[in-house]
Amino acid sequence: DAGVTQSPTHLIKTRGQQVTLRCSPKSGHDTVSWYQQALGQGPQFIFQYYEEEERQRGNFPDRFSGHQFPNYSSELNVNALLLGDSALYLCASSLVGTQSNYEQYFGPGTRLTVT
Amino acid sequence: GEDVEQSLFLSVREGDSSVINCTYTDSSSTYLYWYKQEPGAGLQLLTYIFSNMDMKQDQRLTVLLNKKDKHLSLRIADTQTGDSAIYFCASPREGGSYIPTFGRGTSLIVHP
Repeated sequence: DAGVTQSPTHLIKTRGQQVTLRCSPKSGHDTVSWYQQALGQGPQFIFQYYEEEERQRGNFPDRFSGHQFPNYSSELNVNALLLGDSALYLCASSLVGTQSNYEQYFGPGTRLTVT
Repeated sequence: GEDVEQSLFLSVREGDSSVINCTYTDSSSTYLYWYKQEPGAGLQLLTYIFSNMDMKQDQRLTVLLNKKDKHLSLRIADTQTGDSAIYFCASPREGGSYIPTFGRGTSLIVHP
């Protein structure tokens, strides 16, 4: 049973650049959520995708955008990177309409460093 | 202020019980979560409890919920070194969403 996978595992970018992170949900799941976890903090919700549309969004600027593909995989894009965007980016998947609504499965994350 | 608050550190001896505490602000939370994060890894859902329950037990884990005081606790019996991790309490986001809002986490250190 394939769990949530994310790529790449680590990434180093320069201020002002753009980055794309990728996520494949757990087999059978149709919903993907993205979180940002700064060092020493809990994960902060960025947005959630379901049926290829952004369904919910946290308190993040428009520099953060995403996409979901027909196979349910997802991308997170961040434009005009700031030093403060350095964090662990976590993807979580779930299945709408079942008890699994409550059960989000997290990937190992992508560690982004902005210099 | 924070929607969910936890103490940052807890140190216990192997074999003892660990109790991790959490307070939350949203009284309409219909359920609350406990997640575990091991070093360098993503989060693992340990358990969740519905607001109409006072207690939930799952093997070595016991969750207690005091709705009046908005207090949630996680007890780990017979704590092992493999339990060393960061434990996050989480409540759903406002508006009836099931998306968790996390606290800063409690770092549990288990000494041999």
